[in-house]
Amino acid sequence: KAGVTQTPRYLIKTRGQQVTLSCSPISGHRSVSWYQQTPGQGLQFLFEYFSETQRNKGNFPGRFSGRQFSNSRSEMNVSTLELGDSALYLCASSLGQGGEPQHFGDGTRLSIL
Amino acid sequence: QKEVEQDPGPLSVPEGAIVSLNCTYSNSAFQYFMWYRQYSRKGPELLMYTYSSGNKEDGRFTAQVDKSSKYISLFIRNSQPSDSATYLCAMKDPGGFKTIFGAGTRLFVKA
Repeated sequence: KAGVTQTPRYLIKTRGQQVTLSCSPISGHRSVSWYQQTPGQGLQFLFEYFSETQRNKGNFPGRFSGRQFSNSRSEMNVSTLELGDSALYLCASSLGQGGEPQHFGDGTRLSIL
Repeated sequence: QKEVEQDPGPLSVPEGAIVSLNCTYSNSAFQYFMWYRQYSRKGPELLMYTYSSGNKEDGRFTAQVDKSSKYISLFIRNSQPSDSATYLCAMKDPGGFKTIFGAGTRLFVKA
């Protein structure tokens, strides 16, 4: 069974630009969550989508947005990039029924110059 | 106070040692507990998943949950250099839809 796939693996952008990251969950998983991971802050929850609806949201500014498609694939968008947005962005999927663990992709490493 | 506290380490042990990794939490309602292992430049990989209190064993790994003390542990027996990674504890509230992660403990196993 294929795992969670994130593309691209690496991305370099400059301040002010916008970026879109993609996540394909494990087949059959309907919940997709996004996290930002930095050395200083650890794993921080961005948002979770289930059946194309945002079900949970973390404490990030509105520049961070996402969406989920009918096939459960998800995209995350960051607009007006800032230097502080440099991080590893991780996507995790689960069945979405509650309680079961999430499974992570290998992330997209975003560097802002 | 953070909901989940985890010592970031680093923790350095010789090959073959028994490793003990721990987390404490403040929300007594947490019921689902997980340990993830993360290698450099990779995503977290699920190692252990337990519900409520007690022990769970899988090969060289044992996860322990003590809900009365709000304390969870991961034991690694006969540690190997390949166990060198960051270990993250995680837990979910009763609704089960939100996962809270610890900061992660960096482990180095020396050959």
